[in-house]
Amino acid sequence: DTAVSQTPKYLVTQMGNDKSIKCEQNLGHDTMYWYKQDSKKFLKIMFSYNNKELIINETVPNRFSPKSPDKAHLNLHINSLELGDSAVYFCASSQDFRVRQETQYFGPGTRLLVL
Amino acid sequence: AQKVTQAQTEISVVEKEDVTLDCVYETRDTTYYLFWYKQPPSGELVFLIRRNSFDEQNEISGRYSWNFQKSTSSFNFTITASQVVDSAVYFCALSEVGGTSGSRLTFGEGTQLTVNP
Repeated sequence: DTAVSQTPKYLVTQMGNDKSIKCEQNLGHDTMYWYKQDSKKFLKIMFSYNNKELIINETVPNRFSPKSPDKAHLNLHINSLELGDSAVYFCASSQDFRVRQETQYFGPGTRLLVL
Repeated sequence: AQKVTQAQTEISVVEKEDVTLDCVYETRDTTYYLFWYKQPPSGELVFLIRRNSFDEQNEISGRYSWNFQKSTSSFNFTITASQVVDSAVYFCALSEVGGTSGSRLTFGEGTQLTVNP
């Protein structure tokens, strides 16, 4: 059984388009995250939600808007895509954002390429 | 600000060699948690281990072992008798302060390990 899943796995699109990435977890966790991995493999948090409520919002352009319809889903919508948005986007989940020792489990990643 | 440094960008070894991946961290917290993740060529991030700052016992899991030394702020990872399937990027991470800001992982830059047959 897949614990954290993301769709699509690959996304190739033109500059200026709007696209969405979906994430779902079946672990019963309360907290979900979006991380971005750049071309140098560096991973950085973008957002986190706890039970549909935004908890962390890093300095991410307004073109990125997360949406959590329920605690098992966290989607990422990106408007007006730019070349610099090309990266791998990882979704993750953990039991409770207040608990630092909670392990975050990651999805398989979505490879976004903006042409 | 919290920081994780993995000074080894790339390591290349021959199968069956032992290899140690270094991780040094900076934090003001007295209680903190450290993690290692593996990213194989297929791209997913696989959780390997979690360690809290109060537990300095070394941990061994099969061919993997971890050495946590609070005095030097290091959490090194050793693979014994490496195998080709160990080839991956390995990330060390530190869990930041919780509270209203939430818990987040600060990752190191990663070490690309290549095990050659």
